Amino acid sequence: AQTVTQSQPEMSVQEAETVTLSCTYDTSESNYYLFWYKQPPSRQMILVIRQEAYKQQNATENRFSVNFQKAAKSFSLKISDSQLGDTAMYFCAFMKHLNGGSQGNLIFGKGTKLSVKP
Amino acid sequence: GAVVSQHPSRVICKSGTSVKIECRSLDFQATTMFWYRQFPKKSLMLMATSNEGSKATYEQGVEKDKFLINHASLTLSTLTVTSAHPEDSSFYICSASSPNNEKLFFGSGTQLSVL
Repeated sequence: AQTVTQSQPEMSVQEAETVTLSCTYDTSESNYYLFWYKQPPSRQMILVIRQEAYKQQNATENRFSVNFQKAAKSFSLKISDSQLGDTAMYFCAFMKHLNGGSQGNLIFGKGTKLSVKP
Repeated sequence: GAVVSQHPSRVICKSGTSVKIECRSLDFQATTMFWYRQFPKKSLMLMATSNEGSKATYEQGVEKDKFLINHASLTLSTLTVTSAHPEDSSFYICSASSPNNEKLFFGSGTQLSVL
């Protein structure tokens, strides 16, 4: 069974600074996807960034980037130039890749509450 | 990105009544949808996988007779909480897989409060 661990229940950062959220996972699968989702107070789940395990290059989306270390099973999220609107719960998630185009479900970590302070 | 609509956003009901929650993929067809439950300040826990035209697959510990799932079309899945009790009060979120099966898009969630 797969597990996802986020060891930081809460973090805070000053506006315009950089913060890194940690995530580790455990799996015996070789092909999978990793995600970071953001859940603001509205509770809408918003996809922040996605990484395919077979790709060595770290994914980036504007101010968001990941440090994917497959051997270490680590998938941290770096937020640069933090903005007040980045305040939210951040969930790391794992999805197994299934053959035949089937859809696997997401397995979530417990989340990290990020507060961006002015 | 793809849009998933979930309705209602909030429902308050009396104990013993049934509540239906709808999840629609608005601009794509979703053969698979997922239903999650989230307790306050907790993570999302998968309840069941809903497959169009077939029976849902429930996670261990989830009562299939309590949480009825129907996925009658490629754009609609419904979750019915039958004979709701206060312990069923929670935030329920649906998600649908993207056409290439590599992403999940989420509905906006339903806050269920059972009095």
